Amino acid sequence: AQTVTQSQPEMSVQEAETVTLSCTYDTSESDYYLFWYKQPPSRQMILVIRQEAYKQQNATENRFSVNFQKAAKSFSLKISDSQLGDAAMYFCAYLMGGATNKLIFGTGTLLAVQP
Amino acid sequence: DTGVSQNPRHKITKRGQNVTFRCDPISEHNRLYWYRQTLGQGPEFLTYFQNEAQLEKSRLLSDRFSAERPKGSFSTLEIQRTEQGDSAMYLCAGGRDLQETQYFGPGTRLLVL
Repeated sequence: AQTVTQSQPEMSVQEAETVTLSCTYDTSESDYYLFWYKQPPSRQMILVIRQEAYKQQNATENRFSVNFQKAAKSFSLKISDSQLGDAAMYFCAYLMGGATNKLIFGTGTLLAVQP
Repeated sequence: DTGVSQNPRHKITKRGQNVTFRCDPISEHNRLYWYRQTLGQGPEFLTYFQNEAQLEKSRLLSDRFSAERPKGSFSTLEIQRTEQGDSAMYLCAGGRDLQETQYFGPGTRLLVL
């Protein structure tokens, strides 16, 4: 069964600094998708970034980038120039393929941004 | 804003009562998912609709839970005879065929007393 592990329950970063959130996953599939979602307090979950497993190039979205290591089954999120609005719970998710395409989530990392 | 709305946003009920939640995805979302999120955990898959057809249900979805998506538009999730263990955030997400990203609503937070 596919699993997603986020080993950092909480992280803290100074405003304008860089932080990296870790995620590992387990799968026997070769074709899959990985996502980072952000869930601010009392607000809806929004997509931060996605990565297709068949792509070797790491995805980037403005200040957000990933380090995708397929062989190591690692998918970390780097946030550069951290802003106060980045404070949220971050979830790593694996897309289970097939007819359903349901998401398998990790337990999340709560990111605090210090002014 | 993902365009996915859920109502109500909060629900407090007494054990044994029935509750119903509603999810309205955008019109392009032919796929609709329900997830449950308990405190300190990531969301867990409950059920999936493609258009109006419910194609998969998790074992988490006991027989007290029922979901519908009439006409392939909005969806409802009903919990009968609620139990304290049902207290959680219920999330709805919309998606499209051949597009892997799911777009989440704000969720309905249920508290069963």
